[in-house]
Formats: sequence, structure tokens, C-alpha cells
Amino acid sequence: GQQLNQSPQSMFIQEGEDVSMNCTSSSIFNTWLWYKQDPGEGPVLLIALYKAGELTSNGRLTAQFGITRKDSFLNISASIPSDVGIYFCAGLVNRDDKIIFGKGTRLHILP
Amino acid sequence: DGGITQSPKYLFRKEGQNVTLSCEQNLNHDAMYWYRQDPGQGLRLIYYSQIVNDFQKGDIAEGYSVSREKKESFPLTVTSAQKNPTAFYLCASTSYNEQFFGPGTRLTVL
Repeated sequence: GQQLNQSPQSMFIQEGEDVSMNCTSSSIFNTWLWYKQDPGEGPVLLIALYKAGELTSNGRLTAQFGITRKDSFLNISASIPSDVGIYFCAGLVNRDDKIIFGKGTRLHILP
Repeated sequence: DGGITQSPKYLFRKEGQNVTLSCEQNLNHDAMYWYRQDPGQGLRLIYYSQIVNDFQKGDIAEGYSVSREKKESFPLTVTSAQKNPTAFYLCASTSYNEQFFGPGTRLTVL
């Protein structure tokens, strides 16, 4: 079945640094979604991407829909302590399909 | 406020007991989903429903059951047949191509 490979699994960065994470797949998706999950809470949708090559920002977050439709990237600029959490990518082919999730990137910010 | 509610936030049950987790949404979404999340793990799909009175098994349906009698509600029952029920359970609903999650229920079986 379809799988998403999300990397890195975890990141340790200093406050103020920029962060980059990505998701890749062997198959094509028509929608890419990026979520953030705080401990003990449900994931919150950050950015949705619908078109190959699309670059979308949400504050300090920027995500891109890869040209091949098989990958997506999320960047966080000037990280702050509240950015700590798990970031999930998700892909969808058609509206009625199941959404496929990556295993998440856990972001830690060092004091 | 529109959204997805799950109750309770924390649930404790004795081994061998069935337990039902509630999920309600007032977003008028047709499709609803249940996921299980274990510590440090991703999301695994248990059951999903794309329309009232219809639902399909996900990747790990064994030991779980659902119903979809109303558009707003998609309760999940964790039965005694589920070998390792202790986990964080997330309900979600979908509008077009975007999926939204509830706050989750942490189930602990003693």
C-alpha cells in the first residue's frame, strides 16, 4: 500500500534556528497536508497544498508541494519554544480515499 | 463554535470490559474517522465512515466496533477482544480534502 517516509524522525535545534523536514513517497498524491501535534492533544492542520509546485505560508511556516507530486517539504523559520511538538505530513490522492500519514518528526528546542 | 469533541479526555477501565468512546462533530462533515496512536508512534486507522449508516474497516479494526446512526456522531467501542487497548484515540472528520481532529481520548486499561 501507499506509504509516506517522513524525515528526520526527530530534531534537536536551538531557539531561533530554521527547521526543515520532508515527506517522500513512491506514489503520487494530489493533496499534501501538514499537521502539528502538541503532547496529549489532537493534531492541528497547519497547511494544505493542492497543486504541484505550490508554495504556501502560514506565519513562520512554509510548505511546498513537490513538482513530482511524490514529496512535500515544511520549513519553520526562526523557531520559538512553542514550536516544540510532533509534525505530521499526510497525503491524499482523491477526496474519498483514506488519508495516508507519515510517522512524524518530533521537534525539540534546546534551552 | 464549530468543531469535533471527544469525551471523556481520560478513561480508565478494567481488563475485560467493553468501553465506548464518544465523538461528535458540528461541522456538517460527511466522513468521520477513528485513529489509534501509541507512544512515539504515528496514526493508525481503525474505522472510517463516509456516510450515515455505512462504515469500513481500517488497518487495525480487530477488537473494535463502530456505528454511524447520525451524521454528527461516530462512537467507537473498544471490546474485550482488543489485546492491547491502552492508547490515545483520535477522532477526525473530513471536508473536501482536509481532515480535522478532535482533542483525543486517552484510554488506560488496568
